[in-house]
Amino acid sequence: KNEVEQSPQNLTAQEGEFITINCSYSVGISALHWLQQHPGGGIVSLFMLSSGKKKHGRLIATINIQEKHSSLHITASHPRDSAVYICAVEEGGATNKLIFGTGTLLAVQP
Amino acid sequence: NAGVTQTPKFQVLKTGQSMTLQCAQDMNHEYMSWYRQDPGMGLRLIHYSVGAGITDQGEVPNGYNVSRSTTEDFPLRLLSAAPSQTSVYFCASSTALGRFSYGYTFGSGTRLTVV
Repeated sequence: KNEVEQSPQNLTAQEGEFITINCSYSVGISALHWLQQHPGGGIVSLFMLSSGKKKHGRLIATINIQEKHSSLHITASHPRDSAVYICAVEEGGATNKLIFGTGTLLAVQP
Repeated sequence: NAGVTQTPKFQVLKTGQSMTLQCAQDMNHEYMSWYRQDPGMGLRLIHYSVGAGITDQGEVPNGYNVSRSTTEDFPLRLLSAAPSQTSVYFCASSTALGRFSYGYTFGSGTRLTVV
């Protein structure tokens, strides 16, 4: 069983829809990261969370430390949001190593 | 522009050849790491460094060497390339060791094919 599980693996939405991507993890963490990767592109950091909720534009990320669960929400989705969204957890301690989920491929259709 | 610079972006190697993937950052980050990304799998840690002169193995270190002679540079060496090393490689850096980081910055990736 992977230490970081994302769902769904694939998601197709119509432009304007509200989107939720989920991430569950089984290890102790110091922080959780949401990353975005466009096809053939590099990886961009969207959020880093250690508790609560963060918002940036149409993106909202939440984390529940007790339940070991995080969600990434996209409001009013747009075709330019189409990308792979990756959840990664940061192990505590002196190394800040990341453990990655396999990603959620999102396609937003006009 | 500040960030992580990876070179080359694309590379084709023959089995048995050696090469070095370059990674440089200008943000004075202590922590640097190399990951490989394969279809259907999450990124996996190859090697990492918590500072100049200090390196350690990650999850999949076999066939790769690293060194960290300066804070800025963290090259990844393939000693004798194998088809199993065909992958996309990402370098990443962060700061604030020992507590949660202030976030990671990733390079643009190197797509390596070994034939």
